Amino acid sequence: GAVVSQHPSRVICKSGTSVKIECRSLDFQATTMFWYRQFPKQSLMLMATSNEGSKATYEQGVEKDKFLINHASLTLSTLTVTSAHPEDSSFYICSARDSSGENEQFFGPGTRLTVL
Amino acid sequence: DAKTTQPTSMDCAEGRAANLPCNHSTISGNEYVYWYRQIHSQGPQYIIHGLKNNETNEMASLIITEDRKSSTLILPHATLRDTAVYYCIVRVGRTGANSKLTFGKGITLSVRP
Repeated sequence: GAVVSQHPSRVICKSGTSVKIECRSLDFQATTMFWYRQFPKQSLMLMATSNEGSKATYEQGVEKDKFLINHASLTLSTLTVTSAHPEDSSFYICSARDSSGENEQFFGPGTRLTVL
Repeated sequence: DAKTTQPTSMDCAEGRAANLPCNHSTISGNEYVYWYRQIHSQGPQYIIHGLKNNETNEMASLIITEDRKSSTLILPHATLRDTAVYYCIVRVGRTGANSKLTFGKGITLSVRP
């Protein structure tokens, strides 16, 4: 299957700082990427859908000014958690939809964010 | 709203077949059945998907009932590395707002030695 990478895999930051997470599709073009969040022992919750060259669509209850998403190219989307707080500590996972074929979604390995 | 229901957990012996059931009684005609799995602290991994015919690939087989209201994922020879949470998801196959993957709680498969 296609490969999606995330960077960093793990990040620890102080409360009030901003953290940027990158998501890349390595061997395919992705016009659409998705950002999920997963708290311990819970399922993945979709945060937003990111379309290349346009604004992201956020799910209900997700603050767009806090979770900034940029999808500037067909292979890269970034999620910036602004003014992070301890409650933002979570496992953030991106996925990318292969624009060809049957539009399958492939997931990155996730980023573990810990806010102190 | 959950569109699929799965048991919370199950286990099987290593080397035996693991049959993971899923109910999707409200599935629409244009919705596919997808299976993903998530090994602890990793991103979900695509396994297989189907519309109405049974499907098989190198990882698993997917059996969909004729009325499409339920399906079974079969791992023919489970190994310890197959221990994971398995998610059954119904989704419109093509692009559009309705083609998002919405994860439920999944079923935790534990493969015992």
